[in-house]
Amino acid sequence: GAGVSQSPSNKVTEKGKDVELRCDPISGHTALYWYRQSLGQGLEFLIYFQGNSAPDKSGLPSDRFSAERTGGSVSTLTIQRTQQEDSAVYLCASSLLQVRGSGSPLHFGNGTRLTVT
Amino acid sequence: AQSVTQLGSHVSVSEGALVLLRCNYSSSVPPYLFWYVQYPNQGLQLLLKYTTGATLVKGINGFEAEFKKSETSFHLTKPSAHMSDAAEYFCAVSVGYGGATNKLIFGTGTLLAVQP
Repeated sequence: GAGVSQSPSNKVTEKGKDVELRCDPISGHTALYWYRQSLGQGLEFLIYFQGNSAPDKSGLPSDRFSAERTGGSVSTLTIQRTQQEDSAVYLCASSLLQVRGSGSPLHFGNGTRLTVT
Repeated sequence: AQSVTQLGSHVSVSEGALVLLRCNYSSSVPPYLFWYVQYPNQGLQLLLKYTTGATLVKGINGFEAEFKKSETSFHLTKPSAHMSDAAEYFCAVSVGYGGATNKLIFGTGTLLAVQP
């Protein structure tokens, strides 16, 4: 597809269960990001991938959160033992890698709305 | 550390009126600045960006923003609001990784309502 694709679009899970959220970036985009959007909290950075490596994981809120990226393409965000406070919209974005001076923007998917009951 | 502050979480204008959404940034280096728009149940869409050069930046849907270094501001404007402009708007500043500037830090957003 032409844009960033995320699946599922909605996920309802019970407290304590594990969930996996998937992101397919734009073809050729080497940089991939996960953000979390909670009501009244704005967009919270979670993790950044460059290729398959993650040089910045500083936004992951706890060790229940992990992410991987394979083949420089698809990424999966996993939340273990979900809690109600994990309920949010999880947004994925991708961009071209650029050196300082070009300011390549991020392209966002439509997000996965996670509800933990 | 880079950051952005958006003044006003909710702004309401009449159709045809001027839209002004405020954003102030904090950055120790010349910043890259962005405005994104989010429509309900959708991801964020780039409106415009400032990197270097001309300080008045024109974007999509008739929006523009002016980079003012002296005021550390990057306010978003549109001369005449349309009903379809009702959405949430986010200002963002880039944070570099060595030579690469990708990670964006977002403001808390401004919800724009347009009254008929």
